[in-house]
Amino acid sequence: NAGVMQNPRHLVRRRGQEARLRCSPMKGHSHVYWYRQLPEEGLKFMVYLQKENIIDESGMPKERFSAEFPKEGPSILRIQQVVRGDSAAYFCASSPSETGGYEQYFGPGTRLTVT
Amino acid sequence: GEDVEQSLFLSVREGDSSVINCTYTDSSSTYLYWYKQEPGAGLQLLTYIFSNMDMKQDQRLTVLLNKKDKHLSLRIADTQTGDSAIYFCAESMGDDKIIFGKGTRLHILP
Repeated sequence: NAGVMQNPRHLVRRRGQEARLRCSPMKGHSHVYWYRQLPEEGLKFMVYLQKENIIDESGMPKERFSAEFPKEGPSILRIQQVVRGDSAAYFCASSPSETGGYEQYFGPGTRLTVT
Repeated sequence: GEDVEQSLFLSVREGDSSVINCTYTDSSSTYLYWYKQEPGAGLQLLTYIFSNMDMKQDQRLTVLLNKKDKHLSLRIADTQTGDSAIYFCAESMGDDKIIFGKGTRLHILP
């Protein structure tokens, strides 16, 4: 049973480019969460999605960031026109629908570096 | 408000017990967690405790919860070099977001 998968593991972008981060939840999990970890910090919640729906995006910056979880395929976190301050580790977590959000399993993360 | 506080560093001799402490502010938190992060890796869920419990034990790990003082601790018995990592305390009301502390870096001395 594969865990949460994220790709790429490392991503380098120049300022102004777009970054696309992918997350495939664990098999049987229908809830996906994105978190951001800045250097020397804990994880900060960004967004919670179910298939084709954004449930809570209270932690998402209002501009340049978007997330989706289509009916088929992985969840995507998209950052447009990246800036140096976007450099961070982005973690995806998933949970089964029957337990709600309390039991979240994390992927290995995507480490974004903006040059 | 939501806030989780924990000390940033802890050094322990191999074979001794490690105790990592955490305080949280949200009294409505239902679940309290300990996650482990090794360098360059994701977060591994070590254990979690419901807010109506005082203690949970799982092999070398013991979690103690003092709900009155909003204090959570993680004790690792017989600490090994493989326990060297960052340990995150976290809380949740069980809906969507988990609130994390900044992490405690556990360093094992030979």
